[in-house]
Amino acid sequence: DTGVSQDPRHKITKRGQNVTFRCDPISEHNRLYWYRQTLGQGPEFLTYFQNEAQLEKSRLLSDRFSAERPKGSFSTLEIQRTEQGDSAMYLCASSWTGVLTEAFFGQGTRLTVV
Amino acid sequence: TQLLEQSPQFLSIQEGENLTVYCNSSSVFSSLQWYRQEPGEGPVLLVTVVTGGEVKKLKRLTFQFGDARKDSSLHITAAQPGDTGLYLCAGGDNNNDMRFGAGTRLTVKP
Repeated sequence: DTGVSQDPRHKITKRGQNVTFRCDPISEHNRLYWYRQTLGQGPEFLTYFQNEAQLEKSRLLSDRFSAERPKGSFSTLEIQRTEQGDSAMYLCASSWTGVLTEAFFGQGTRLTVV
Repeated sequence: TQLLEQSPQFLSIQEGENLTVYCNSSSVFSSLQWYRQEPGEGPVLLVTVVTGGEVKKLKRLTFQFGDARKDSSLHITAAQPGDTGLYLCAGGDNNNDMRFGAGTRLTVKP
């Protein structure tokens, strides 16, 4: 399977704990995106990378959130001191830079903060 | 910031009916994508439109990109229960991130 993969698929954590999610993009894609999606809504942009450079961060991404893509391949999204409002589906997508900005998504990580 | 508005937000129809959903923006996009998402899964790409006025067909689905590349529509003919899902449009620019609309949640009843 050469699609986008995310790990874990589900995560339940207690409020105040730190969590880290991983995304492995399609290998030839140089762009990687993180989105957050709550029930009944479309994906909300969090941040994206072109290779290892983080080019844009949404204002939704508070200082408790940090994302890295150290070698321009896989990426991690860490949430520190989780809050109940962080409960959501976290989606990762990758694409190739060009006129056709077609993003392909992983299956997401469902985070539940209790 | 590119803002994409999708309408209607919810649509419930009977099997066999036709429907159209819309995606509108004040921004011009170099390309626009339509995705379908099922509960608990990531969005799956259906189509990309690039040229103003472009029409693409995917079986019973017809996608149109507006002449000014600011809006798009998705028309489904003879809807089936398997078409049920959240339909998302997303606008991209090769210099910017991709932004999504809030989606149209379609339910097709048998």
